[in-house]
Amino acid sequence: QKEVEQDPGPLSVPEGAIVSLNCTYSNSAFQYFMWYRQYSRKGPELLMYTYSSGNKEDGRFTAQVDKSSKYISLFIRDSQPSDSATYLCAMQRGFLSGNTPLVFGKGTRLSVIA
Amino acid sequence: NAGVTQTPKFRVLKTGQSMTLLCAQDMNHEYMYWYRQDPGMGLRLIHYSVGEGTTAKGEVPDGYNVSRLKKQNFLLGLESAAPSQTSVYFCASSSRTGPIYNEQFFGPGTRLTVL
Repeated sequence: QKEVEQDPGPLSVPEGAIVSLNCTYSNSAFQYFMWYRQYSRKGPELLMYTYSSGNKEDGRFTAQVDKSSKYISLFIRDSQPSDSATYLCAMQRGFLSGNTPLVFGKGTRLSVIA
Repeated sequence: NAGVTQTPKFRVLKTGQSMTLLCAQDMNHEYMYWYRQDPGMGLRLIHYSVGEGTTAKGEVPDGYNVSRLKKQNFLLGLESAAPSQTSVYFCASSSRTGPIYNEQFFGPGTRLTVL
């Protein structure tokens, strides 16, 4: 079983839709959870970051972590064509474990149709 | 600040040829990484470095070597290129003291084709 599982899609939604992107993981040592956004032919950029369980909101984006279920989500409200990109989840053990590298999901390709 | 830059942006090699990819960062980051990205496979870590003069293997290190002689540079070498190494290569860097723990900043990528 991969440490991090993410449905690669592709996912196509109409403009204005609510989008839900998800990842599951198997390593209970993960404490830092991130979502990166990658536009076509570009490098990934950090979009959202959460530590431990709970929700974090930033504008139209909400990141949710459920450590008991080992499940993280990214919600996009009022989706726009400019949100069309690949979204990668990433996670990491705590800093007391030293600099353990990020573990990435495979990414979900999202298209928002105008 | 240029952030993370990668040289070259594109390259075509023949099987058996060698080449070096250069990554440079101007953010004084301690950590640097090399990834490859293939369709359906996501980002896979090749090698990484936690400081000048130190390197470590990632998930897919075979066929690659790295060096970190200067803090700002991280080189990825292919000694004898194979078609299986056709990929997009990304370099990233991060700081252990930044506001977001270990936020990785990525370069624009190098598209490598091995014929």
